[in-house]
Amino acid sequence: ETGVTQTPRHLVMGMTNKKSLKCEQHLGHNAMYWYKQSAKKPLELMFVYNFKEQTENNSVPSRFSPECPNSSHLFLHLHTLQPEDSALYLCASSQKGASGGTQYFGPGTRLTVL
Amino acid sequence: EDQVTQSPEALRLQEGESSSLNCSYTVSGLRGLFWYRQDPGKGPEFLFTLYSAGEEKEKERLKATLTKKESFLHITAPKPEDSATYLCAVQAAGSSNTGKLIFGQGTTLQVKP
Repeated sequence: ETGVTQTPRHLVMGMTNKKSLKCEQHLGHNAMYWYKQSAKKPLELMFVYNFKEQTENNSVPSRFSPECPNSSHLFLHLHTLQPEDSALYLCASSQKGASGGTQYFGPGTRLTVL
Repeated sequence: EDQVTQSPEALRLQEGESSSLNCSYTVSGLRGLFWYRQDPGKGPEFLFTLYSAGEEKEKERLKATLTKKESFLHITAPKPEDSATYLCAVQAAGSSNTGKLIFGQGTTLQVKP
C-alpha cells in the first residue's frame, strides 16, 4: 500500500448504529486529519492529531469520536448519527511543523445515514 | 476572519481553449497556499504549494501564480482529462501548529473534445 488509505470506501448506517472509519498513512508523516465534504460546501476540518495528540477539534459534535493510536493510524468512531451527517469523510496526513506542510488525502469514505 | 473564495464556480472550455481559475483569500498572515485537483468520488490530489507573492509553479498544462491577495491556476491548451474540480486552500500563520487548511468551494472544470 502507498499513500493514504481509507476503509471502508462506502458505508450505509442507521441512526442507531455504531461504526468506525479507518485511515492509514504510509508516508512517514506525523500529523493526521479528518475532513468532512458535503455537497456544495467547502471541505471542513474536523480534527487534527500531531504525534498522536489531538491539537484541533473544530466544534465537532460528540457523536463523532476520533482515535489516533499511533502516527500511522487514525479512526473516526460514529454513533447515533443524523441524516445530515451523510457526506464524504476524508483523511489526510502531513509533516508537523513543516512551513505550510502539504497535506495528502486518502480516497475518502462515502457515508450515508438513513 | 480567514476566508477563501474561488471563481468561477463552474467553467466549460473547448479542448485547446486556455483559461484561468481564480482563488481570492483574506488571511492573517499566509503560511502557504495549496492547489488540489479532485475527481468525482475521490480524494483531493495535490498539485502545488505556493508560499510567497511572486512565486510561480508549473506542471504540464497547469501553472499556478500567487499575489498578496489571490492566486491563479492557468490552464494552457486543456484536454478532456483535465476535467475535474480544482480546490484552493490556505494555511494561516496562526494555524501553523495545527496545520489547519481553509478551503474554497472549488471550481468545476469541464473540457469538451
